[in-house]
Amino acid sequence: AQKITQTQPGMFVQEKEAVTLDCTYDTSDPSYGLFWYKQPSSGEMIFLIYQGSYDQQNATEGRYSLNFQKARKSANLVISASQLGDSAMYFCAMREGKRNTPLVFGKGTRLSVIA
Amino acid sequence: DAGVIQSPRHEVTEMGQEVTLRCKPISGHNSLFWYRQTMMRGLELLIYFNNNVPIDDSGMPEDRFSAKMPNASFSTLKIQPSEPRDSAVYFCASSPSGLVGIGDEQFFGPGTRLTVL
Repeated sequence: AQKITQTQPGMFVQEKEAVTLDCTYDTSDPSYGLFWYKQPSSGEMIFLIYQGSYDQQNATEGRYSLNFQKARKSANLVISASQLGDSAMYFCAMREGKRNTPLVFGKGTRLSVIA
Repeated sequence: DAGVIQSPRHEVTEMGQEVTLRCKPISGHNSLFWYRQTMMRGLELLIYFNNNVPIDDSGMPEDRFSAKMPNASFSTLKIQPSEPRDSAVYFCASSPSGLVGIGDEQFFGPGTRLTVL
C-alpha cells in the first residue's frame, strides 16, 4: 500500500504568492516523522522541514511551514512569498519508528513559480 | 563539512559491463542509504546500513545488484552485469543517528547518473 501520496503532479504559483503542496500519509505506527525535500533541476536533494508525530505545533523554517493535521493524516507544505528559485520538485517523505529507518517518498510535485 | 560524496557523478556504460558506484558518508554518521530515482518509480530504497551492517536489502532489484560497506567512511553499489533498465540516478544518503532520532534528516549526496546503453 502506498504510504505517501502526493496528488498534485504539477503546480503553478505567481511570484510572491503563497502555495500549498499536498501530502497524505498512511501508517499504523504512533511514532513517525514527516519530511519535505526540494529537488531543483540540478538534481540534488535538499532537506526543507521536519514534523514529528508527537509535535504539538506545526513546524516552521523560514518561508516554509508544515500544516500537520494528524487526524486527517496530512502534512502539507506551505511556501510563503514564492520566489523564482522555488521552482523545483518537492517530495514528501515519512520515517516510521524510533530507530534510524529509511525514508519512504511520495512521487513528488513539480512547482513552477511564474514571474 | 564536505557533505556526502558520490563518484562518479555520471557514468555511461554498455550493457553487460560492471558498474561500481561509490559513496563517502558524512563523518560521524552511522547510517547509510542507497536510493534509486527513475521517472517511472520515483525514489526507492535499495539497501541501508547501520554501523556498517546491512539492515534491509529487500529493495535490491535482483542478484545483479550488490552493496558493501567495509568501513564507516565508504560504501559501494555494484551492478554486474548492467542492463539498460538500470539507467537511473543513484543517491547515497547518510544520517547521524543509529538508535534514536526519528527526526534526524538524511543528507543526500549529489547522485550518480547512470546510463546503460
